[in-house]
Amino acid sequence: KNQVEQSPQSLIILEGKNCTLQCNYTVSPFSNLRWYKQDTGRGPVSLTIMTFSENTKSNGRYTATLDADTKQSSLHITASQLSDSASYICVVTSGAGNNRKLIWGLGTSLAVNP
Amino acid sequence: EPEVTQTPSHQVTQMGQEVILRCVPISNHLYFYWYRQILGQKVEFLVSFYNNEISEKSEIFDDQFSVERPDGSNFTLKIRSTKLEDSAMYFCASSSGTSVFSETQYFGPGTRLLVL
Repeated sequence: KNQVEQSPQSLIILEGKNCTLQCNYTVSPFSNLRWYKQDTGRGPVSLTIMTFSENTKSNGRYTATLDADTKQSSLHITASQLSDSASYICVVTSGAGNNRKLIWGLGTSLAVNP
Repeated sequence: EPEVTQTPSHQVTQMGQEVILRCVPISNHLYFYWYRQILGQKVEFLVSFYNNEISEKSEIFDDQFSVERPDGSNFTLKIRSTKLEDSAMYFCASSSGTSVFSETQYFGPGTRLLVL
C-alpha cells in the first residue's frame, strides 16, 4: 500500500535553531518527492521537488535530502525564523503521465518560539 | 506573481443542498486539481482535469461531485447534495504540467465548507 509517514508529528524549537523533519515512504512506482509548507488555514506552498536521481536540493534556508534506496527524505531548516511556524508536508508522486497520483503525508507541525 | 484564487473563502450550507466552489487557476497552466482536507487530517486528492476532461479521480469523487471549466478562466467543483462529512477545506491547484520537473502544483487559499 502506498504510504507516506512523517516524524515527528509536532516540534517546538527556539528562533535561530536548526531542525530536521523526516519522511519515510512506501510508494511504487516512485516519480518524485516534494516538501510543502502549509500555513494555518492556507494552501500548501511547494518548497522543493526531487526525482530519484537527486539526493539534495536547497531553497534558501530549506535543504531537502532524498535516499531512494532507503526511501527516506528529510527537510532541514537552518536558522529558524518565527515565520517558519507551519505544517511541513511530504508528498510523493507515484506513476507518470496522466496516471500521476500524489501520496500525502500528515505533516509535521513546527512551532518556532521567540 | 500569478496565483490561484478561490471563492468563497467560507461557505456554510445545509445538508442536502448543492454548493459550487470556484477557482481561477494560473492563466497559462494546463492541469487543474481539487483536493480536500478535513480538519486535522491529510490532504486528499479528489480530481485532476486536463484538456477539458477529467484525467483522474479518487474514490472520494463519486457521483455527487462534478467539475467544470465553464469558460477560459474558471474551474468549478460542484457538490450536488452535501453531506455532513463533506465539511472540509477544499483546495484548488493548477500546474503547467509540461514535464515531471515543472509539475509543481500551485494551490489556492482554499474554501472552508461547513455542512450543517
